[in-house]
Amino acid sequence: GQNIDQPTEMTATEGAIVQINCTYQTSGFNGLFWYQQHAGEAPTFLSYNVLDGLEEKGRFSSFLSRSKGYSYLLLKELQMKDSASYLCAVTDSNYQLIWGAGTKLIIKP
Amino acid sequence: DAMVIQNPRYQVTQFGKPVTLSCSQTLNHNVMYWYQQKSSQAPKLLFHYYDKDFNNEADTPDNFQSRRPNTSFCFLDIRSPGLGDAAMYLCATSRGRGGTDTQYFGPGTRLTVL
Repeated sequence: GQNIDQPTEMTATEGAIVQINCTYQTSGFNGLFWYQQHAGEAPTFLSYNVLDGLEEKGRFSSFLSRSKGYSYLLLKELQMKDSASYLCAVTDSNYQLIWGAGTKLIIKP
Repeated sequence: DAMVIQNPRYQVTQFGKPVTLSCSQTLNHNVMYWYQQKSSQAPKLLFHYYDKDFNNEADTPDNFQSRRPNTSFCFLDIRSPGLGDAAMYLCATSRGRGGTDTQYFGPGTRLTVL
């Protein structure tokens, strides 16, 4: 079967750095997305990785290792507004998007 | 700004009473999706349209139907809502359906079934 694993919940402190991991087992791979979803709102696009390595975009960076079936989202200089769920989604060999259940990130002052 | 719009944002219906949710987009994207998302769960794809080509997921109940009368609009009809259909319904669009195109989501409609 196809599976995306993310921690259910994480807690971090304002101003700190947090890394949210995602591991996947899918039939093939054609890219990995990270989306941010605030409570009661729709997901918004953060990043897309299809090649190995780190992609940086402001305070957020996303890393991919295809050989390990692993990605992480790195959030720096955390702000209270970063409290949200972070969803990992993988495109498989049939170009279907497989979604993880998301990691709820709680930021404390 | 180009965007995806969903109406209403909150919908309350009674058990068994048909309900229609609407989605419109100004992005001129070819693909429109309907997802169901329950609390702390991954979004579950119900179906998608590539242009007028309708694609139903195998495990989408017959209770759910969809219409796309033109490029801009897409509707989700729930014929006989049950208590288990209470959820957030998300509409999304993408330029292509290759699964590598970014999906842009509307704000969602939260459905309550009494």
